[in-house]
Amino acid sequence: QQQVKQSPQSLIVQKGGISIINCAYENTAFDYFPWYQQFPGKGPALLIAIRPDVSEKKEGRFTISFNKSAKQFSLHIMDSQPGDSATYFCAASKPGGGTSYGKLTFGQGTILTVHP
Amino acid sequence: ETGVTQSPTHLIKTRGQQVTLRCSSQSGHNTVSWYQQALGQGPQFIFQYYREEENGRGNFPPRFSGLQFPNYSSELNVNALELDDSALYLCASSLWGNQPQHFGDGTRLSIL
Repeated sequence: QQQVKQSPQSLIVQKGGISIINCAYENTAFDYFPWYQQFPGKGPALLIAIRPDVSEKKEGRFTISFNKSAKQFSLHIMDSQPGDSATYFCAASKPGGGTSYGKLTFGQGTILTVHP
Repeated sequence: ETGVTQSPTHLIKTRGQQVTLRCSSQSGHNTVSWYQQALGQGPQFIFQYYREEENGRGNFPPRFSGLQFPNYSSELNVNALELDDSALYLCASSLWGNQPQHFGDGTRLSIL
């Protein structure tokens, strides 16, 4: 069962443009939504994350928008740069601790290419 | 602060063999999770270790097993390797019950 659906599969943006990647989830028990950036030959690196008590979080050029009622969240990359060219993954997790554990459920990934 | 380190970086095995992958968690982290990332896909959760015990497993058969040591480092063992086991194996560490999880650069396993 695909619990986190990510779109688009690939995205081409011009330098200076805005990159937007979307994710939708099914499990309302999810309470942590990170975005990871992965370069070829490297592991995923945490970019930014949000919890459902806020609708938006901004860190530098990266912004997460969160819509709890629609069960959707998105990553916006402002002023996109060629160095941002990478694969981006959204993920979701239920609360951890006690008898539970915080496994991450990932989307399928979006390959972002930023042209100079 | 030392990040998550994994070894080896690359490994080639044949069908039916066994493999052991290793992970050192980020300093201060007591929980290790393992993920399998097939080419062009998102990582898939294998299992998580805390206090040297498995705490949760994804949809992987018992031939995938693990260990966690008192220093929080961990091993992933895969027996009876199959062609479909070819993937990038990622280790992530965290504090129990907390996010975020920080990933290593993985071990690329190729099965011939």
